[in-house]
Amino acid sequence: GENVEQHPSTLSVQEGDSAVIKCTYSDSASNYFPWYKQELGKRPQLIIDIRSNVGEKKDQRIAVTLNKTAKHFSLHITETQPEDSAVYFCAASPMDSSYKLIFGSGTRLLVRP
Amino acid sequence: GAGVSQSPRYKVAKRGQDVALRCDPISGHVSLFWYQQALGQGPEFLTYFQNEAQLDKSGLPSDRFFAERPEGSVSTLKIQRTQQEDSAVYLCASSLVGATGEQYFGPGTRLTVT
Repeated sequence: GENVEQHPSTLSVQEGDSAVIKCTYSDSASNYFPWYKQELGKRPQLIIDIRSNVGEKKDQRIAVTLNKTAKHFSLHITETQPEDSAVYFCAASPMDSSYKLIFGSGTRLLVRP
Repeated sequence: GAGVSQSPRYKVAKRGQDVALRCDPISGHVSLFWYQQALGQGPEFLTYFQNEAQLDKSGLPSDRFFAERPEGSVSTLKIQRTQQEDSAVYLCASSLVGATGEQYFGPGTRLTVT
């Protein structure tokens, strides 16, 4: 079955700097890759997603890139702000059970003011 | 509109007790999911409903776990004879369609088994 690995597990950046979180997946047929942000004690919230027919997607300060050949995708946050501090999870949807999300283990991002 | 709601938000159970966790999905959402999130980990898939039909229960850890959605809206996750390893946050999510799409999560129920 699908396996998603995420790194780094923790990331500390200065306010205004960029942050990059990377994920790899094992199932080459996976076709949907969302990113969720989870603040402490809160629900996961979708911040951006990408499908396998697209290589890059941007939404203001957030972008996601997908490399299907290498089976990895990355989240890029530019001009980080303290309110970006949270745990970020990547996920992948396997082709044979496309309703299902397989999550990475999370990255705790700390933005230092 | 209202998002996904779950109750209770916190539940403490003694080992061996049965618990029932409730999920109210967004109105009109066809799909409903349960995930288990251990401390410091990502959510892990438990089960999936499309309307009232449970189409995938492959993630349920044991036969002590049972989920239902009898009328295609509210869902209940039941855990019988709870064990300490069941301690986790149980997240419910719903989505409008049955195929790949954005899943909206509830706030979760934090279960602690003592």
